[in-house]
Amino acid sequence: SQELEQSPQSLIVQEGKNLTINCTSSKTLYGLYWYKQKYGEGLIFLMMLQKGGEEKSHEKITAKLDEKKQQSSLHITASQPSHAGIYLCGADSSGGGADGLTFGKGTHLIIQP
Amino acid sequence: NAGVTQTPKFQVLKTGQSMTLQCAQDMNHEYMSWYRQDPGMGLRLIHYSVGAGITDQGEVPNGYNVSRSTTEDFPLRLLSAAPSQTSVYFCASSYSTLGLYYEQYFGPGTRLTVT
Repeated sequence: SQELEQSPQSLIVQEGKNLTINCTSSKTLYGLYWYKQKYGEGLIFLMMLQKGGEEKSHEKITAKLDEKKQQSSLHITASQPSHAGIYLCGADSSGGGADGLTFGKGTHLIIQP
Repeated sequence: NAGVTQTPKFQVLKTGQSMTLQCAQDMNHEYMSWYRQDPGMGLRLIHYSVGAGITDQGEVPNGYNVSRSTTEDFPLRLLSAAPSQTSVYFCASSYSTLGLYYEQYFGPGTRLTVT
């Protein structure tokens, strides 16, 4: 079965600084999803990457997919308190998505003022 | 649109009791799924459905039953609750086109404690 390893497990960053979260898959990635979860709440969809080399940005968050390395990275520029939470990567291992997603264990992000 | 709704938000059960976690979506999504989230384990797929009348097992299906009689609803049943089922349960739905499935929309979760 597919496994996703996220690094780091937790991250404390001073407000205004940049940061990167990585997600590495044990198998071929057909689709990679990034979600954000605030403590005690549900998951909010951030971005979906489907093609090797694909890069997407939304506001100050950029995600990239390196298909050869079976890896995705999430980069936040000029972090703000609103970026705090748990970031989860999810992967579609079947190619069609019908089997659900496999998730990493998450990266806990804390933004220090 | 309400999106994906889940009830109840919190529930405490005694070992051996049964209950149903409700999940509904108003986006006409064909695909629905249930996950459980445990500390240190991440999210794990319990059951999923690709359409009304069709369900299948995920990674951790034991102890749970599902049915899908309508597109909108996908209830999760615990027949005889066990302390190992203490967890946060998330329901998700997704649209599909040409056999491909896209980003899943998650409900707010149900926190279940089994004593």
